[in-house]
Amino acid sequence: DTAVSQTPKYLVTQMGNDKSIKCEQNLGHDTMYWYKQDSKKFLKIMFSYNNKELIINETVPNRFSPKSPDKAHLNLHINSLELGDSAVYFCASSPPYGGAGTEAFFGQGTRLTVV
Amino acid sequence: GESVGLHLPTLSVQEGDNSIINCAYSNSASDYFIWYKQESGKGPQFIIDIRSNMDKRQGQRVTVLLNKTVKHLSLQIAATQPGDSAVYFCAERKTGRRALTFGSGTRLQVQP
Repeated sequence: DTAVSQTPKYLVTQMGNDKSIKCEQNLGHDTMYWYKQDSKKFLKIMFSYNNKELIINETVPNRFSPKSPDKAHLNLHINSLELGDSAVYFCASSPPYGGAGTEAFFGQGTRLTVV
Repeated sequence: GESVGLHLPTLSVQEGDNSIINCAYSNSASDYFIWYKQESGKGPQFIIDIRSNMDKRQGQRVTVLLNKTVKHLSLQIAATQPGDSAVYFCAERKTGRRALTFGSGTRLQVQP
């Protein structure tokens, strides 16, 4: 199936640990994103990559480091996890800017719980 | 700061009625608007979009209206069904920026 897929779906970990979330899209899109959704359902952009190049980095702590090995993959590594990092993280992708149907397609989300 | 927001956090309608979800945005430098539907435990799903050079766009059972004069966006769902129950988000994209800015969401509850 064509989709944006991210793993794992659930992640429970202790404070201070380092964890990674992986994302892959097979839609042939050139731009990928990480969004964070908090407990109040508010969705906020964290990072955006275009053809493996970082183009958006919203005021995110440097404990969060995205990595894009190729334009179909965008992983998120988080160091020294804190309680406040608990949220649902969504990966998304979109086709070239300005073209028809340039909406973002979202993955199913990774629910991160830091205890 | 500039933001996209919704007037009603929760909307409850009867099955078969029409639903209207509203959204106010403050950034006039936006060229593209999207409505997303998010069901429990899932990612946001595209419903319909509209560009800033349009004021209305229709899809299957859904219509999006854009009023740039008052910076208002609405989603109309005809003959609302139980499967329409979800949280709905409006989102905007500023000209030249790849990422979307989301509103705070409206929960639509459809009563059978």
